[in-house]
Amino acid sequence: AQRVTQPEKLLSVFKGAPVELKCNYSYSGSPELFWYVQYSRQRLQLLLRHISRESIKGFTADLNKGETSFHLKKPFAQEEDSAMYYCALSKNTDKLIFGTGTRLQVFP
Amino acid sequence: NAGVTQTPKFRVLKTGQSMTLLCAQDMNHEYMYWYRQDPGMGLRLIHYSVGEGTTAKGEVPDGYNVSRLKKQNFLLGLESAAPSQTSVYFCASMGVQNIQYFGAGTRLSVL
Repeated sequence: AQRVTQPEKLLSVFKGAPVELKCNYSYSGSPELFWYVQYSRQRLQLLLRHISRESIKGFTADLNKGETSFHLKKPFAQEEDSAMYYCALSKNTDKLIFGTGTRLQVFP
Repeated sequence: NAGVTQTPKFRVLKTGQSMTLLCAQDMNHEYMYWYRQDPGMGLRLIHYSVGEGTTAKGEVPDGYNVSRLKKQNFLLGLESAAPSQTSVYFCASMGVQNIQYFGAGTRLSVL
C-alpha cells in the first residue's frame, strides 16, 4: 500500500543550525513527491516538488529511490521557517497521500 | 484572484445537527478535494471530485456526503454531526503539474 511516513512530530533547532525533515515513502510505481508547508495562521501551500529540482526559501529535497526517501533540508534555519511541514505522494496523479506532518520550531 | 475560498471559517454544532461546508475555486480546476486535519494524523482525504457532476470516496468518507453541481463549487455535508467529526476541514483544487491549492480551512467543533 502507498504510504508516507514522517517519523518526527516535532523538530526543534536554533537559528543558523542545519535542518533535515525526514520523509520516507512506499510506492510501487514511479513516485511524484511534494513538500507542503503551513505557516501559523496561513493556508497550506506548496513548498517544492521533486520534479522541479529547485531550491525554495533555501530548502532542497532530493528523491532517493534506493532508500525511498525525500528528506527536506536547509543548511541554516531561520526563525521564519517555523511551521508545519507535510510530505506528500501523488497517487495515480489525481490524489495526494500526506504524511502526518512535522512541526519545525526554530528558536532565536 | 481569490483562489480557493471556504465558508464558514468556524462553526460549532450540537451532536445530530447537520451542516454544509462550501468550497469555491476561481481557477477553473477540474479536480477538487475535501480533507480533514487532526493532530498527529496529518491530512486525510474525505471525498474528491475529478469534474463537474462526479464525486468519489477518499480515505475517511463515512458520515460525509459531497456534491459537485458546478465546476467551481464543491460542497461537503454532514447529515448528523458527531463529536468524532470535530476537526479542521480543508478544501483544495488541483491545477497543472499536480499542484494542489488549499483553502484557509474551516474549524468545526461538535459538542
